[in-house]
Amino acid sequence: EAGVAQSPRYKIIEKRQSVAFWCNPISGHATLYWYQQILGQGPKLLIQFQNNGVVDDSQLPKDRFSAERLKGVDSTLKIQPAKLEDSAVYLCASSLGAGGTYEQYFGPGTRLTVT
Amino acid sequence: GQSLEQPSEVTAVEGAIVQINCTYQTSGFYGLSWYQQHDGGAPTFLSYNALDGLEETGRFSSFLSRSDSYGYLLLQELQMKDSASYFCATTKGSQGNLIFGKGTKLSVKP
Repeated sequence: EAGVAQSPRYKIIEKRQSVAFWCNPISGHATLYWYQQILGQGPKLLIQFQNNGVVDDSQLPKDRFSAERLKGVDSTLKIQPAKLEDSAVYLCASSLGAGGTYEQYFGPGTRLTVT
Repeated sequence: GQSLEQPSEVTAVEGAIVQINCTYQTSGFYGLSWYQQHDGGAPTFLSYNALDGLEETGRFSSFLSRSDSYGYLLLQELQMKDSASYFCATTKGSQGNLIFGKGTKLSVKP
C-alpha cells in the first residue's frame, strides 16, 4: 500500500513570496490533515478535511494560508505572502475516519525555509 | 483550554526500560495517542487509549488514567533504533482532532 505522498520535499523562498504544497493521501482515506511543525515542537493542526469538505480550520491563518481538497482526494496548501515565522515542516496526514481511534498516516513533509 | 505536559528529554541505556509521562488538560477529552518521530522523519502511530488501563503492543505499552488526566508510554528492552521523539496527543470528542504535546526526545545509549 502506497503511503502519503507530498511534494516538494524542500522549498526555500523569500518573505512575501508565495508557495504551494501538494499532498496525495492513501487511497480510500476520507480524512486529510495539514499540520505545521516548527523545530522542537509537536505538529499543530492547520486544517482538516472530511472528503472534500472542511471540518476544522480554526488554527489556519486565513489571511495568508489557504487549502483545498480537490474531488476529495489530493490537496494543496498555499501560503501567500510568506513570513519568516512560516519556516517549518508542513506535514500532510490521512486516515480512514476522523477521531483518535483512527491511526493517522503522515507523509514525509515539506521543509519550508523563508529568508 | 488544551495543554499537554511531557518531559523534554530522557536518556536511557540499551536493554533498559523507560517511561515517558504525559499529563493533560483537555476539555471534552476522549482519548490519548502516542506517536514516534525519528529525526527528519514523519510521525508514526504507536498507540491509542480511550479507556483506563494498560495497552500492550510488543515492547511498547501505553497507560491511561482518565481520573488523573495522566498517561504514559512504556518502552521495554530499549534498542538504539528507539532513539526518537515521542509525542502524546489528546483527542477532544470522538471525532476530534489530535492536539500534540511538545514531545520527549529519547536518547538510547550503548
